[in-house]
Amino acid sequence: DTGVSQNPRHKITKRGQNVTFRCDPISEHNRLYWYRQTLGQGPEFLTYFQNEAQLEKSRLLSDRFSAERPKGSFSTLEIQRTEQGDSAMYLCASSLERGLGISPLHFGNGTRLTVT
Amino acid sequence: GQQVMQIPQYQHVQEGEDFTTYCNSSTTLSNIQWYKQRPGGHPVFLIQLVKSGEVKKQKRLTFQFGEAKKNSSLHITATQTTDVGTYFCAGRYNFNKFYFGSGTKLNVKP
Repeated sequence: DTGVSQNPRHKITKRGQNVTFRCDPISEHNRLYWYRQTLGQGPEFLTYFQNEAQLEKSRLLSDRFSAERPKGSFSTLEIQRTEQGDSAMYLCASSLERGLGISPLHFGNGTRLTVT
Repeated sequence: GQQVMQIPQYQHVQEGEDFTTYCNSSTTLSNIQWYKQRPGGHPVFLIQLVKSGEVKKQKRLTFQFGEAKKNSSLHITATQTTDVGTYFCAGRYNFNKFYFGSGTKLNVKP
């Protein structure tokens, strides 16, 4: 178990620029989640995948956000035309979903985005 | 809409005192998980509760799931400085995505 890996760890960008983050989940995990966390708050759901299928996207997300998991392995999260309000820690988590069994989320260390 | 509320937001205790955090949902949960996040770290899974009225213990930590599967609690007996961090509940509806509470930040004074 090599854990969930996220890159980059930190990203500073200017308002209006596009950014892309990558998440490599634990290899045998079939579910992958993206969350956003701001200081003093709990992780806020963005979207999740079952293998390569994107099952749900938060209604809070604007069309500037898009995520892919092309082969059911790694995932990318892109934010277009970044705004200062996008500044946050972006967390990726993966899990092995097996019916009604225990399926803990394994989080990566996150990508901290700062929009100036 | 579906949402998990968590209280209190902060708790400051003297080492050796007990600590409890509570989560509440307006609709029935399929299951609930608890996570701990140390300062500067990411959430780490502690436990999952599935059954109505379920109680699970991990050393000094006791987790409960309400009979109606709408609320849950985490109780720590005799806190230690190593317990410092933020504790999150994550409720799940219909075994889909997890909704995280806003967390309870625990500070333990030695």
